Amino acid sequence: DSGVTQTPKHLITATGQRVTLRCSPRSGDLSVYWYQQSLDQGLQFLIQYYNGEERAKGNILERFSAQQFPDLHSELNLSSLELGDSALYFCASSSSSGAMNTEAFFGQGTRLTVV
Amino acid sequence: AQKITQTQPGMFVQEKEAVTLDCTYDTSDPSYGLFWYKQPSSGEMIFLIYQGSYDQQNATEGRYSLNFQKARKSANLVISASQLGDSAMYFCAMREATFNDYKLSFGAGTTVTVRA
Repeated sequence: DSGVTQTPKHLITATGQRVTLRCSPRSGDLSVYWYQQSLDQGLQFLIQYYNGEERAKGNILERFSAQQFPDLHSELNLSSLELGDSALYFCASSSSSGAMNTEAFFGQGTRLTVV
Repeated sequence: AQKITQTQPGMFVQEKEAVTLDCTYDTSDPSYGLFWYKQPSSGEMIFLIYQGSYDQQNATEGRYSLNFQKARKSANLVISASQLGDSAMYFCAMREATFNDYKLSFGAGTTVTVRA
């Protein structure tokens, strides 16, 4: 158990809908990362938050947004969903302000299926 | 440009034998870190081993070792004495220090199947 909790584990929704994925980082971790894993794109970095502030942005669509709350949990909001958004969405957390050797601990992922 | 390249989509290895998974990377940053993660069929990502760009020695963690060749920009993972539970997808990843951006960039992964 990595200590990172993601809910829900599975989500099935229709095109055009909006969903929210939730992540609770490991106790004490200030950094939260979101990744999307799909068959054709592999593991793609979406966005990083550090202590409530956006730190880095990757290949995140404008239809997607995220935030990190004062209690450090994070939510990823996906709207106007398309079939191609079906993927495994991972949240990861790490402890430091960015020490190079700090590994990121991953949650179990949320498998999103858009039908 | 692809930062991490894993050229082996899939590999088979006999139980108790060693297997080497290739990883090459591309960066102009002198300070970076290289990671290997394992993803079993259940889906979770499990951290295996880390190598820093300034580390003088190759990293080892139990049956995992990293063959780090800085000049060649390669960081191959060696799994010794393979077990059936090692069957999984393995990802090489890199963190660069540029612009305080500490995200991990992942390769496409290599699927390892251990045969009894």
